[in-house]
Amino acid sequence: NAGVTQTPKFQVLKTGQSMTLQCAQDMNHEYMSWYRQDPGMGLRLIHYSVGAGITDQGEVPNGYNVSRSTTEDFPLRLLSAAPSQTSVYFCASSYGGGGEKLFFGSGTQLSVL
Amino acid sequence: DAKTTQPNSMESNEEEPVHLPCNHSTISGTDYIHWYRQLPSQGPEYVIHGLTSNVNNRMASLAIAEDRKSSTLILHRATLRDAAVYYCILRDSFYNQGGKLIFGQGTELSVKP
Repeated sequence: NAGVTQTPKFQVLKTGQSMTLQCAQDMNHEYMSWYRQDPGMGLRLIHYSVGAGITDQGEVPNGYNVSRSTTEDFPLRLLSAAPSQTSVYFCASSYGGGGEKLFFGSGTQLSVL
Repeated sequence: DAKTTQPNSMESNEEEPVHLPCNHSTISGTDYIHWYRQLPSQGPEYVIHGLTSNVNNRMASLAIAEDRKSSTLILHRATLRDAAVYYCILRDSFYNQGGKLIFGQGTELSVKP
């Protein structure tokens, strides 16, 4: 199984550009989420989804959009990139909540100049 | 959202047991206690989880206090490969809340040869 796949692994943007970070899972997981991790910090939740067509905001949603049209995919869109969005982004999925364990992707390193 | 508190860092000697504490005094009855670890330059990986009873798996043991307001992750024989940041998080069983996970700073474990 591929698990959770994130693309690209690295990306450099100029301020004001837009882009989409891709996240796909092949485990038929209902729950998916996006986190950002700044240097020396823990993970902070951006957006999450508990099923296709259902999304909700996390701790730091400003500047990011998500949609969940299929169970497999959960893309994260940066509408107008800012230097403050320079970070490592992780996608995670799980079968459900509570006692279900999370599976993480390997991350996308994003730099905004 | 229930929060967790962990020491910022801990040190251990190789092949000795390590006890990583976590306080979660506002835990609710529907929260599971999860532990993840993050090796340098990687995404977090699942270690163990539990609800009320102590749990063992091939990686570690989880000891949960009787009042559930604290827990301890036990690595029975630390190896150099166990050097990582360890996160203790609470995961709700309720449908939508189960997707909303709050990571703290974690405990950075260093292992000396």
